[in-house]
Amino acid sequence: KAGVTQTPRYLIKTRGQQVTLSCSPISGHRSVSWYQQTPGQGLQFLFEYFSETQRNKGNFPGRFSGRQFSNSRSEMNVSTLELGDSALYLCASSLALTRTGTGELFFGEGSRLTVL
Amino acid sequence: GENVEQHPSTLSVQEGDSAVIKCTYSDSASNYFPWYKQELGKGPQLIIDIRSNVGEKKDQRIAVTLNKTAKHFSLHITETQPEDSAVYFCAATGNQFYFGTGTSLTVIP
Repeated sequence: KAGVTQTPRYLIKTRGQQVTLSCSPISGHRSVSWYQQTPGQGLQFLFEYFSETQRNKGNFPGRFSGRQFSNSRSEMNVSTLELGDSALYLCASSLALTRTGTGELFFGEGSRLTVL
Repeated sequence: GENVEQHPSTLSVQEGDSAVIKCTYSDSASNYFPWYKQELGKGPQLIIDIRSNVGEKKDQRIAVTLNKTAKHFSLHITETQPEDSAVYFCAATGNQFYFGTGTSLTVIP
């Protein structure tokens, strides 16, 4: 069974640009959540999607957005990039929506974004 | 919202010794407490979890304890091996996962 796949794995952008990251969840998983990982900050929750709807959102500015497609694949977008957006962005899939049935999160290897 | 604190941030132990990582949480509504291990260049992977109706759970060399009254839970690794070297994250979960800031564990051969 294939794991969670994230693309691209590495990317470099400059301030003011925008970026789109992609996540393909494990087959059959309907929940996809995104996290930002920075040194010393751990994993910060961005948002969770289930059945193409955003079900929960973390404390990030509106420059961070996402969507989920009918096949459960998800994308997240960051517009007007800032230096502080440099981080590892992790996608995780799960069988159930977090608030209705907490279970294991399966993480991808992440997309490492560097903003210059 | 929930606030999860994790200590220590770094931990070095000799191979064969035990390692203990501690986390506290603030929201009494949190009911699921997983621990994830992240190896270099990889995404976090679940190693053990515990639900709020259980006080302790063990899986071979790994155990987790939960004190709901004090709102803290701990990860115990016994007979540590070099392959246990990684970053470990605790989490408290209600409507979303709230992760601690991580503990970098180094097992010295």
